[in-house]
Amino acid sequence: QVQLVQSGAEVKKPGASVKVSCKASGYTFTGYYMHWVRQAPGQGLEWMGWINPNSGGTNYAQKFQGRVTMTRDTSISTAYMELSRLRSDDTAVYYCARDSGHYYGSGSYLTGAGDYWGQGTLVTVSS
Amino acid sequence: EIVLTQSPGTLSLSPGERATLSCRASQSVSSSYLAWYQQKPGQAPRLLIYGASSRATGIPDRFSGSGSGTDFTLTISRLEPEDFAVYYCQQYGSSFTFGQGTKLEIK
Repeated sequence: QVQLVQSGAEVKKPGASVKVSCKASGYTFTGYYMHWVRQAPGQGLEWMGWINPNSGGTNYAQKFQGRVTMTRDTSISTAYMELSRLRSDDTAVYYCARDSGHYYGSGSYLTGAGDYWGQGTLVTVSS
Repeated sequence: EIVLTQSPGTLSLSPGERATLSCRASQSVSSSYLAWYQQKPGQAPRLLIYGASSRATGIPDRFSGSGSGTDFTLTISRLEPEDFAVYYCQQYGSSFTFGQGTKLEIK
């Protein structure tokens, strides 16, 4: 069965960086894009970007351009999201979510919704 | 960027009643790339509907989605106690954006 297991909670000071991991199992890791979504306390869902685990290519939401880096290690089926220059309003639960899309034709990919989600990682930014 | 506006913000109903949740897009959502998620406190979102009207794996048939273009609806035909939660719509046709959510609470 598909599972996404994320790393544990983090407490960081303003200005620091945080790196969250998402270990995938139960499917071919390189066959599906991976999204990162965050949720501030009591707030809604905010899409941060995706990574193509096959090529390492990324697409970041404009809001996070220059501060977020998404990477992967295919040898251990793990995706990473690193957010730098943390501020107090970055305090949130960060989720990874597998994209339900698929490859077609000669290597093109059609993105879909997030069909499997990690359990979430709470990142607290506080001085 | 496509902005999604969900209404109402809060919906108060009783078990057994029918729930109708709305999601309106600021511009047309291509190919009906519209999804609905359910989120309960302390849990990750759960995919209910994709492609505007297709149920995800394991989702009961009391959940149904409809709509196209800029207007989409999630309907829960007969509310069960476990259906009271927050619901989000998401478009994935032009980048990815979420609505602000509708809280479905017990009346």
